[in-house]
Formats: sequence, structure tokens, C-alpha cells
Amino acid sequence: EVQLVESGGGLVKPGGSLRLSCAASGFTFRSHRMNWVRQAPGKGLEWVSSISSSSDYKDYADSVKGRFTISRDNAENSLYLEMNTLRVEDTAVYYCAREGAWYCSSTSCYFDFWGQGTLVTVSS
Amino acid sequence: DIQMTQSPSSLSASVGDRVTITCRASQGISNYLAWYQQKPGKPPKFLIYAASTLQAGVPSRFSGSGSGTDFTFTISSLQPEDVATYYCQKYNSAPLTFGQGTKVEIK
Repeated sequence: EVQLVESGGGLVKPGGSLRLSCAASGFTFRSHRMNWVRQAPGKGLEWVSSISSSSDYKDYADSVKGRFTISRDNAENSLYLEMNTLRVEDTAVYYCAREGAWYCSSTSCYFDFWGQGTLVTVSS
Repeated sequence: DIQMTQSPSSLSASVGDRVTITCRASQGISNYLAWYQQKPGKPPKFLIYAASTLQAGVPSRFSGSGSGTDFTFTISSLQPEDVATYYCQKYNSAPLTFGQGTKVEIK
């Protein structure tokens, strides 16, 4: 059974930092691109960042570029999101999501499994 | 960047009604479009990929169609358990933008 379990969320002051983790199990982690998606309270889904299976390629939403860093450890089956210079508008539930493997574009795919999410609150 | 526009933003329909949601891309994305269902307090659930291919285990009352810039998501016979917010998402290339969502309620 595919499982994605996020951790590391919490309350942080504006300008602060936080590192989110996503522990993956039940599939061959090193074979899949992975993503972070966030959802502000009462709002829609916002894609945050993607990382290729071997970490060669990383993409970021403009809203987090230069402040957030995505990484992964295939030996540990883990995905990470380092978040720096946090802003009030970064407050959201952050989801880890696995990209599928059937009928994908040359660079991206749909998200076939999602974690339960971890809440990040940026407030003074 | 390509924008994804969903309509309507919300709808209310009776049990058994046919429900249709549209998603429009500001530029062509071939059929690299997915649909998700999200119930309150839960993560999104993946429903459809390649614009029209149902993920295994998804009820057949759900369907999708379209290519290029215009896409449609349909629930053929609305059930109480279908109350949720539905999102489209482009995945031809980054940014992997979502539509703003359509909230479906029972009348």
C-alpha cells in the first residue's frame, strides 16, 4: 500500500525557517518524481515544487522561488522541503504528492497519491 | 505561464442530476489534464488522467473529455457522496497549475 506521511509543520514567525519531511513507503520511491502542493485555509490547491527521480531537475512556483528548496533521499525514501524567509501568506497545509507513471508528458505527470498533509502556520 | 480557469466556482444539484464542470487552459496542453476530488479535511483524491482516462477504482459515473484548451468533467448521476470540491490540473510542464476548484453541493 502506497503511503506518504508528512511531518515538520508547526508555528513559525515571519522570516523564520522550517523543514518539512515526507516519508514514503509501499512503492519504489526512486522511480517516481515527487511534489509538494499547498492549500491555504479555505483556499484552493497550489503546486509548490517538483523534483525528478534522481534530483536532476527541480521546479518551483514563482511564489516560493529563491526561498524554498526541494530535495530527496532515495536511500531513505524521503522527500524534503526547506522553507526559508517564511511569510504570513505561506500559511497552509502542505501535501506531499507522488507523480504517476502512465501517460505522462516528457517532464511531468499527474499526482496519483497524496499524503494527509502537515500544517504550517506563519504568524507573529 | 498557462492559466487554468474552472467554471462554475460552485453548483448545487439534486441527487441523480447530471453535473458538468468545465476547465479551460489559456494555451493548448494536448490532453495532459487531470481531475481530483477533495472532501473537507481530506487530501485530494486522483480521479482522471489524460483528460478522459478513469483511474482504477473510480466509479464510472465520473467521466472527462476534451483536448487542447477546453475540457469537461461530468458526473452522470450525482450521489450524496460526491459532495466535494473538484479541481483540474495541467501536467504538460511546470508550473503544474490547478484550476481554482468547483464546489459541488446537493440541493
